[in-house]
Amino acid sequence: NAGVMQNPRHLVRRRGQEARLRCSPMKGHSHVYWYRQLPEEGLKFMVYLQKENIIDESGMPKERFSAEFPKEGPSILRIQQVVRGDSAAYFCASSPDLGPWGYTFGSGTRLTVV
Amino acid sequence: AQTVTQSQPEMSVQEAETVTLSCTYDTSESDYYLFWYKQPPSRQMILVIRQEAYKQQNATENRFSVNFQKAAKSFSLKISDSQLGDAAMYFCAYRSAVSGGSNYKLTFGKGTLLTVNP
Repeated sequence: NAGVMQNPRHLVRRRGQEARLRCSPMKGHSHVYWYRQLPEEGLKFMVYLQKENIIDESGMPKERFSAEFPKEGPSILRIQQVVRGDSAAYFCASSPDLGPWGYTFGSGTRLTVV
Repeated sequence: AQTVTQSQPEMSVQEAETVTLSCTYDTSESDYYLFWYKQPPSRQMILVIRQEAYKQQNATENRFSVNFQKAAKSFSLKISDSQLGDAAMYFCAYRSAVSGGSNYKLTFGKGTLLTVNP
């Protein structure tokens, strides 16, 4: 089992460009979660998705950010018109169910906005 | 809302010695889970140890153990016989066990950077 795969590992975007971050959950995992880690901070919850459904997006900024988890393919976190403040590490986690022990994190994507 | 506080931004320990990392949390819930995660420079989030709030016995995983004080809402991590590979950022995290709520979210502290000196 390859684990939770995130790509790219590093992403550099100029202000105003779009950033697309991909997350392939572990095999058999249908629950995906995105977290953001700002410098000197812990991870903060952004959004929880199941296949084709957004369950909770309460931690995601209302503008410029969107997430999807299509029936086929990876989950995508999309940030439009990036600003310097979006620079952070973005982590994806997946789980097979809502039990407490199955959470597995990916290695994150570090987004740098220049 | 739950909060997690790690009051030690940085800690250091000599190789083979013991170190304790502090974590306190605030919640009105009685059933929840607590975790310690390790984040080395590779950025991978690695689960170190976990504790169920309803269990009074402190969790232990090899050289890692916790001191869980539910009344005090304290959850410290003790690392015994510290090794160079233990050097990392350590995060304390909380997860509700209340069904029907947001029991899928982890709430993290800001982390403690542990340095291990040879």
